[in-house]
Amino acid sequence: DTGVSQNPRHKITKRGQNVTFRCDPISEHNRLYWYRQTLGQGPEFLTYFQNEAQLEKSRLLSDRFSAERPKGSFSTLEIQRTEQGDSAMYLCASSSQEGRTNEKLFFGSGTQLSVL
Amino acid sequence: LAKTTQPISMDSYEGQEVNITCSHNNIATNDYITWYQQFPSQGPRFIIQGYKTKVTNEVASLFIPADRKSSTLSLPRVSLSDTAVYYCLVGDLTIIQGAQKLVFGQGTRLTINP
Repeated sequence: DTGVSQNPRHKITKRGQNVTFRCDPISEHNRLYWYRQTLGQGPEFLTYFQNEAQLEKSRLLSDRFSAERPKGSFSTLEIQRTEQGDSAMYLCASSSQEGRTNEKLFFGSGTQLSVL
Repeated sequence: LAKTTQPISMDSYEGQEVNITCSHNNIATNDYITWYQQFPSQGPRFIIQGYKTKVTNEVASLFIPADRKSSTLSLPRVSLSDTAVYYCLVGDLTIIQGAQKLVFGQGTRLTINP
C-alpha cells in the first residue's frame, strides 16, 4: 500500500515538552496538508505545502507550531512547549492537482497526541 | 467557502438505502461538492465528488439539484461497515495553486444496525 503514512500513531507527552510528527505523502503528490481534529469535530485546516514551499497557514497555527517539507517529499510538524489544548488528532493529507480539476485529498491515519 | 449544514446523526438498518442531505445555500458558481467518510481512529476517505446533476461510482451516488443549494449522498444497501461519520464539503474549482482549506464541519454520524 502506497498511501499516506504518518508516524507515530500515538504520542503521549507532558506539558511543556516538544513533539514532532512525520508524514510521508503518496510519492507523486506535490500538495501536502496538515489538519487537526478534536473529538466530535471535523478536521480543521492548519497548513499547506506546494512541493517544498509552505504557501498557507491557518491562524490556528500559533508560533509554537512549525512545519517543514524539505525537498518536497516528507513533512514534519513540530509543536514546541506543548499545552493540554494541543491534544488532538493531527492528520496529514496529500493530493496531486492537474490543471483545473477537482482536488481529492488522501489522508493518513493521523497521529493522536495526548498532552498530560 | 459556502457553509454546509447536515444532520448530526442518522440511523438505519443493514440492506437499506441511506440518503444524507447536505444544505449549502450560499454555494458559489465555482464551488464543487465533495463527500468524505471517516471511521474512528482513521483519516477521512474520499467518497464522491460532483458539480451538478448526478454522479455515481462504485460506492455511492451524489444527487445535486439544478439550484445546487443542496446535495444528497445516497448509499445503496448499507452494511454494518458503513457506520461512520460522513462529511459534506464545498470547494472552489478555480483554486489551482492555493490550498483548498476544506471546511469539514461536524459531519453526520451514521449508525447502521443489524
